[in-house]
Amino acid sequence: DGGITQSPKYLFRKEGQNVTLSCEQNLNHDAMYWYRQDPGQGLRLIYYSQIVNDFQKGDIAEGYSVSREKKESFPLTVTSAQKNPTAFYLCASSHGWTLFFGSGTQLSVL
Amino acid sequence: KQEVTQIPAALSVPEGENLVLNCSFTDSAIYNLQWFRQDPGKGLTSLLLIQSSQREQTSGRLNASLDKSSGRSTLYIAASQPGDSATYLCAANTGNQFYFGTGTSLTVIP
Repeated sequence: DGGITQSPKYLFRKEGQNVTLSCEQNLNHDAMYWYRQDPGQGLRLIYYSQIVNDFQKGDIAEGYSVSREKKESFPLTVTSAQKNPTAFYLCASSHGWTLFFGSGTQLSVL
Repeated sequence: KQEVTQIPAALSVPEGENLVLNCSFTDSAIYNLQWFRQDPGKGLTSLLLIQSSQREQTSGRLNASLDKSSGRSTLYIAASQPGDSATYLCAANTGNQFYFGTGTSLTVIP
């Protein structure tokens, strides 16, 4: 089945630790996105990538990093510089300006 | 910057009622508007996409309309069912980016 796979579903981070959220798609989409969702707020864009080996910062990129070495993969690293990382993280891809989402990763701080 | 607003934030209706969810956006220069459904702890599922040149789209009991000039879109749900209970989000696409509302949390009471 074609789709977007995010892993893990739940992730816990210790203070000072970097953690990486995985996002893989087999839809052959060029564009991929990372969003952060906090309770009662809309989705906020962290990073996006239109093509392999290229990505741009979104509205809240500080404390996060990404890579796009393969078309299928767009991992997000939450660094220790992100002081409030607890949130629901959503990965998406787009084709013809239609967005498709993964099932999300809930990140919490221990 | 595009601002997207959804009112009301929450809505409860008895089963069988028809209902309308509202989405407004500040910049009418959009490529399309997409409606999503989100269940608790899950990713977003696309419901309907309306291109900027279209006035409405229908899928089963759902009908979405778009009025670019007034910066408004509505999602009409006919004969609501308990299974329709979820959060509904709209997103305005301006090219590289998608701008999301904060959603309407719908509860359909049996």
